[in-house]
Formats: sequence, structure tokens, C-alpha cells
Amino acid sequence: DQQVKQNSPSLSVQEGRISILNCDYTNSMFDYFLWYKKYPAEGPTFLISISSIKDKNEDGRFTVFLNKSAKHLSLHIVPSQPGDSAVYFCAASATHYGGSQGNLIFGKGTKLSVKP
Amino acid sequence: DSGVTQTPKHLITATGQRVTLRCSPRSGDLSVYWYQQSLDQGLQFLIQYYNGEERAKGNILERFSAQQFPDLHSELNLSSLELGDSALYFCASSVESGAGNTIYFGEGSWLTVV
Repeated sequence: DQQVKQNSPSLSVQEGRISILNCDYTNSMFDYFLWYKKYPAEGPTFLISISSIKDKNEDGRFTVFLNKSAKHLSLHIVPSQPGDSAVYFCAASATHYGGSQGNLIFGKGTKLSVKP
Repeated sequence: DSGVTQTPKHLITATGQRVTLRCSPRSGDLSVYWYQQSLDQGLQFLIQYYNGEERAKGNILERFSAQQFPDLHSELNLSSLELGDSALYFCASSVESGAGNTIYFGEGSWLTVV
């Protein structure tokens, strides 16, 4: 049972345009969400996070939106650059797990290709 | 560079063997996590330690075990290896143990079982 789902395995966008990566979750206890970027043969790199008390968090070209009622979050990259080409993972955690377990549940990733 | 160090980077071993993967967390981080990434799977959480104590257990097989030492480095032991254990094993660390902490990943240890 996948608690975090990224339904698009891949996405291709033109350089300079907006990239929108989507993520859905099923566990209503999740209250902290993160996006990671991963290049081949490297570890995931933290990009941006959002707490469930917010609906938007922005960091430079990256913005994450959270819609709790729809159990949906999205990552917007504007403008997209060729160097953004990577696999993007959505992840979630829940403080209700005894308050001491910070392990993240990951989606299966979306491969973003930004074409020059 | 996340500051999380994993060794070895690559490892090839035979079925039935035992291997140990090592991880040094970021300076100041007390919590260590182990994840497995197989070819067609996402990142699967295996186990979490905080300041030497086990905090959470995920999909970790009984043939696998881990520990965190007083100097906070961690080891993941994989025994009676099977072909299906071939995967990329990531170690990650965070300052605290609870949710709401950003977890930083190492570059992974590639394990190939032949």
C-alpha cells in the first residue's frame, strides 16, 4: 500500500518554462513534506519542505504547494533549467509516530527532463 | 556534499555471504537512517537510530541488522545475501529524531550480489 504516490514517472519541459511535479498521499497523519532531487549514482539532495500548517513555501525558483483537503502537494520550478534534469522524490513524515520517529515515506519519483 | 559519508561505495559479493556497510552522519546529527533503493522500487525505509538507540523499524529483513555506536557512526549488516538484495543502500542523518526534521542523505553504497 503506497502512502505517497507520484503518478507521473516522467515529465519533459522546455527550458525557461514552468515544471510542475505532483504528489498525492493517503495518510492523513502526515504533517511534514519534503522534496528531494536525485542525480544518477548520487544520494538524494534536499530541495524544499513544507509543514502542514502552511499551504505554500518558496525558495528561489522552487515553490511547494500543499492542499491538505485533497492530500496533494506539488513542486513548481520556475524557470526550469537544463541542470534541473533529475529524478524528484516527494516524501512525507508524521509526528504522531510517537513523536520520535522521523523516518520519511517516499514516492517512487518523477524523472524531469528540461530541454534546451 | 551532504556531509554524510558512506563506505564502501561499491561492493560485489556472492550469495550466502555477509557484508557490512558503514555510515558517518553529518557533524552534530544524532539520528541515522538506512534506506534501500532497488531497481524498480522507490526509497524503502529500513531502520532509524537516535543516539545509539533504535527508534523506528521499517521493511528490514531479519537477515539484516544495524547498530549505532557511541561515536554516532552506524553500520548496516547484511547476511545470508540473496540476489534480490542487490540494491543501493543509503544512509541519512538528521539533528533530531522526530518528524519535521530534514534528513540528509549520503551518496549510497552499491551492493551487487552475484
